[in-house]
Amino acid sequence: AQTVTQSQPEMSVQEAETVTLSCTYDTSESDYYLFWYKQPPSRQMILVIRQEAYKQQNATENRFSVNFQKAAKSFSLKISDSQLGDAAMYFCAFERTSYGKLTFGQGTILTVHP
Amino acid sequence: GAVVSQHPSRVICKSGTSVKIECRSLDFQATTMFWYRQFPKKSLMLMATSNEGSKATYEQGVEKDKFLINHASLTLSTLTVTSAHPEDSSFYICSARQVRGRGGYTFGSGTRLTVV
Repeated sequence: AQTVTQSQPEMSVQEAETVTLSCTYDTSESDYYLFWYKQPPSRQMILVIRQEAYKQQNATENRFSVNFQKAAKSFSLKISDSQLGDAAMYFCAFERTSYGKLTFGQGTILTVHP
Repeated sequence: GAVVSQHPSRVICKSGTSVKIECRSLDFQATTMFWYRQFPKKSLMLMATSNEGSKATYEQGVEKDKFLINHASLTLSTLTVTSAHPEDSSFYICSARQVRGRGGYTFGSGTRLTVV
């Protein structure tokens, strides 16, 4: 079974600064997807970024980028130029390409200070 | 983009009654939908996977007879909490995968169920 671990229950960052959220996972699969989802106070799940395991290049979406280390099974999220609207709970998630089911980490609550 | 509509957003029901939650994919077909339960400040726990035209697959520890799932069409899945009790109070979220392409998952806005 796959497991996803987010070791930081809470993180905080000053507005305009950079913060990195950690995620590690355990799998014997070679082909899979990794995701970061954001859940703001509205509780609507929003896809932040997605990474295919076969791609060596790290995914980026504007201020959001990942550091994908496949051998180390690590998938961290970097948020640059943090904004107040980035405050939310962030979940790392794993999907086996052949199975189609998401496994979520425990989540990290991010607070952004003005 | 893909939208999943989930209703109701909030519901309060009396202990012993049943509550139905609907999840609709508005602009795409979803052969597979997922139902999650989430406690405050906790992660999403997958309850079951619903496939159009077939029986749902429940995760270990989820009571099939309490949480009835129906996926009658490519755009609608329902979760019925039967004989609800206060311990069933939680936030329930649905998610759908698009049939084609690599659209990934789209989530509904969730339903807060309170059983009194």
